[in-house]
Amino acid sequence: DIQMTQSPSSLSASVGDRVTISCRASQSISNYLHWYQQKPGKAPNLLIYTASSLQSGVPSRFSGSGSGTDFTLTISSLQPEDFATYYCQQSYSPPYTFGQGTKLEIK
Amino acid sequence: QVQLQESGPGLVKPSQTLSLTCTVSGGSISSGSYYWSWIRQPAGKGLEWIGRIYTSGSTNYNPSLKSRVTISGDTSKNQFSLKLSSVTAADTAVYYCASGVAARLNYWGQGTLVTVSS
Repeated sequence: DIQMTQSPSSLSASVGDRVTISCRASQSISNYLHWYQQKPGKAPNLLIYTASSLQSGVPSRFSGSGSGTDFTLTISSLQPEDFATYYCQQSYSPPYTFGQGTKLEIK
Repeated sequence: QVQLQESGPGLVKPSQTLSLTCTVSGGSISSGSYYWSWIRQPAGKGLEWIGRIYTSGSTNYNPSLKSRVTISGDTSKNQFSLKLSSVTAADTAVYYCASGVAARLNYWGQGTLVTVSS
């Protein structure tokens, strides 16, 4: 199985901050990497697919980059509604493993 | 717009089989390039990919569950289902059905909590 490791596991930030979350794969996954946002009690919501493509309806302050084994999700200017948990997921090879999550909290 | 809705028992006894159904509207499980997937999340923990079925009927499963899991589709009802046998307390989780093109999951059900307890 491909292991996905996110860092940090938790992060405190303020509204307006620029935030970066990293995701590393245990082997190369090309650009088969997706990012999700999950709020408490809700299903995850797709933000970014194939590493850098913005899902329709997602604000442009979200962006993704990377290829191979190292990927980044960036939120350019945090908004109050962005405080949530973020997951990366690889779809290069089944099982399509998720990272352990990064909880973004208000400072 | 594809919409998904999970249904099934919320309580399952240990050693029994967990059975959930995902009803699909706004799309067909037998056409297009969609993958129809199951994911679970224990309380306070991360997401675990269980498996998927493709429009062709082919399946992939998580090896950690492979001996116990079956995902199948019913095109007449536009539903796909999850069966997980020999459950234990470790299988207690919120179970989500989800779908999307090329294995990205852009449509999700609301999730259903399944508790394994006697």
